[in-house]
Amino acid sequence: HLQESGPGLAKPSETLSLTCTVSGGSISSRSYYWGWVRRPPGKGLEWIASINYSGSAHYNPSLMSRVTISVDTSKNQFSLKVNSVTAADTAVYYCTRPTVTGGMDVWGQGTTVTVSS
Amino acid sequence: EIVMTQSPATLSVSPGERATLSCRASQSISSSLAWYQQKPGQAPRLLIYGASTRATGIAARFSGRGSGTEFTLTISSLQSEDFAVYYCQEYNNWPQFTFGQGTKLEIK
Repeated sequence: HLQESGPGLAKPSETLSLTCTVSGGSISSRSYYWGWVRRPPGKGLEWIASINYSGSAHYNPSLMSRVTISVDTSKNQFSLKVNSVTAADTAVYYCTRPTVTGGMDVWGQGTTVTVSS
Repeated sequence: EIVMTQSPATLSVSPGERATLSCRASQSISSSLAWYQQKPGQAPRLLIYGASTRATGIAARFSGRGSGTEFTLTISSLQSEDFAVYYCQEYNNWPQFTFGQGTKLEIK
């Protein structure tokens, strides 16, 4: 089970911080990475970043200058920071679990983030 | 960068009929392809991975085919609960991913 948390509203130019709490299993499993996907209103899904238990991170090239993904194994959580947000970052943000066999088999319910002054 | 192109953007099909959705990769991705279903207000659900392997609990009416650059998702006999948006996703450089823009499957 994955559960996102974070502010529903952010102001332009601020840093957005989201956390995903993993329950029912260990974030330290070698079978998975952990990741973030978003869906802007009226648009499709966009992969943002992935990370494993040891901190090996991968980023969408179009976003990597502004985003940072991190993991806290002691809390069974992973997090996403998006710097210098604009209205284009308004979206439903999902945390998810990419598996080594392919695909993302577990998803959080999603958290809506609106960027507005 | 791999670009995933889905077609059509919208597909209108009657319940009980067959629906075929297409996904094309801008370069070969072998069988590194997944399909997802997303309904309004819900998270995406994994249907197919490895281009043709159904995920746990997915009904047999969902089937995936293809390799290289051309892929299809077929729903053999549409049920009311199947009307949703479908996305393909490549993971040729796992754990990096690219989604297609989606196909909306609507009731005719």
